[in-house]
Amino acid sequence: GAGVSQSPSNKVTEKGKDVELRCDPISGHTALYWYRQSLGQGLEFLIYFQGNSAPDKSGLPSDRFSAERTGGSVSTLTIQRTQQEDSAVYLCASLLDHSTDTQYFGPGTRLTVL
Amino acid sequence: KQEVTQIPAALSVPEGENLVLNCSFTDSAIYNLQWFRQDPGKGLTSLLLIQSSQREQTSGRLNASLDKSSGRSTLYIAASQPGDSATYLCAVRYGGYQKVTFGTGTKLQVIP
Repeated sequence: GAGVSQSPSNKVTEKGKDVELRCDPISGHTALYWYRQSLGQGLEFLIYFQGNSAPDKSGLPSDRFSAERTGGSVSTLTIQRTQQEDSAVYLCASLLDHSTDTQYFGPGTRLTVL
Repeated sequence: KQEVTQIPAALSVPEGENLVLNCSFTDSAIYNLQWFRQDPGKGLTSLLLIQSSQREQTSGRLNASLDKSSGRSTLYIAASQPGDSATYLCAVRYGGYQKVTFGTGTKLQVIP
């Protein structure tokens, strides 16, 4: 079956532009995470969606970052007025439920801000 | 602050060797701990998940152990192969929190 997909795989943008990253989770998975992986750094939690509950946004680094999950499926992460320090790989993971607690990761979107 | 540390950051071994990767965490009140591998340009693949009530999990040549009292987990890889070359990350989830804290990883190279 299909895994988690992310698009685009690579994005190069100019400082100050807005970007939108997309995540298609595995069908039926109730939970979805966004992470950021900067060069030489571990994965940094950004935001968590669980069903229809309010998302946990505690990891978003600034108000330039936002995310939504429509219909409990596809999620988009939006970064407004991008800065060079936003350059990183953005990873999405989905999870069936917390009884199994295994996250399935997408391949990531590599964002480069010039 | 809950921190997860992995040492060494990089490891190079000849093919066939047994090896151990280490993961340390500061808060012992964990819910579970998971080991992942990450291949270049790809996402993470789950290898083993250990619940807080468990002491170890095994899958093929991999064995992960958990010692909550000392705040440590180890991933043992037996008879290493070049295909094991990847970055290995451990991740800790704490009860009541959906957030998962990842270590910075150990980059493993198995030399043929």
